[in-house]
Amino acid sequence: EVQLVESGGGLIQPGGSLRLSCAASGFSVSSIYMSWFRQAPGKGLEWVSVIYNGGATDYADSVKGRFTVSRDNFKNTLYLQMNSLRAEDTALYYCAKTSIVGYSYFDSWGQGSLVTVSS
Amino acid sequence: DIQMTQSPSTLSASVGDRVTITCRASQSISKWLAWYQQKPGKAPKLLIYTTSSLESGVPSRFSGSASGTEFTLTISSLQPDDFATYYCQQYNAYPLTFGGGTKVEIK
Repeated sequence: EVQLVESGGGLIQPGGSLRLSCAASGFSVSSIYMSWFRQAPGKGLEWVSVIYNGGATDYADSVKGRFTVSRDNFKNTLYLQMNSLRAEDTALYYCAKTSIVGYSYFDSWGQGSLVTVSS
Repeated sequence: DIQMTQSPSTLSASVGDRVTITCRASQSISKWLAWYQQKPGKAPKLLIYTTSSLESGVPSRFSGSASGTEFTLTISSLQPDDFATYYCQQYNAYPLTFGGGTKVEIK
């Protein structure tokens, strides 16, 4: 059974850093595209970043240069390193996997990890 | 970036109603569109991909179609479990973008 479990969220001051983790089971994180999404309180879904099966990465303009996505194939875990955090980064962060390489629709999602950026 | 304009933002309907939600892309996305259902406090759930392909386990009352850059999600007979917020997502190109969401409420 495919499962994604996020962790690492919390309350952080503006300018601070946080690392989210997404532990995967039932598949290999290196075999598929993995993405991070976020949802600000009461708002819609926003794509944040992707790591492709080959290891290349891409980011939304809003986080480029501040966030870094990576994975540990041995631990089968996805990460999102978030630096220089801003109030507008406050959101529930989800990790998700694609169903098929090359097609970026997401058939499994984690339960989310809440990040609150506030002084 | 490809903009996805979803309508309506809120929809009031009764059990048994036929419900239609529309998403318009700002440019051609071919057939690369997915629909998700999200309930309060839960992660999104994939319903439909590639415009009209039903995800495994999703009831057949859900269907998707397209005409040019306008995409439609139809629920043929609304059930109590269907009251939720629905999002479209294009995957023709990165950055991936979503519609603003449609909240389906009980009338």
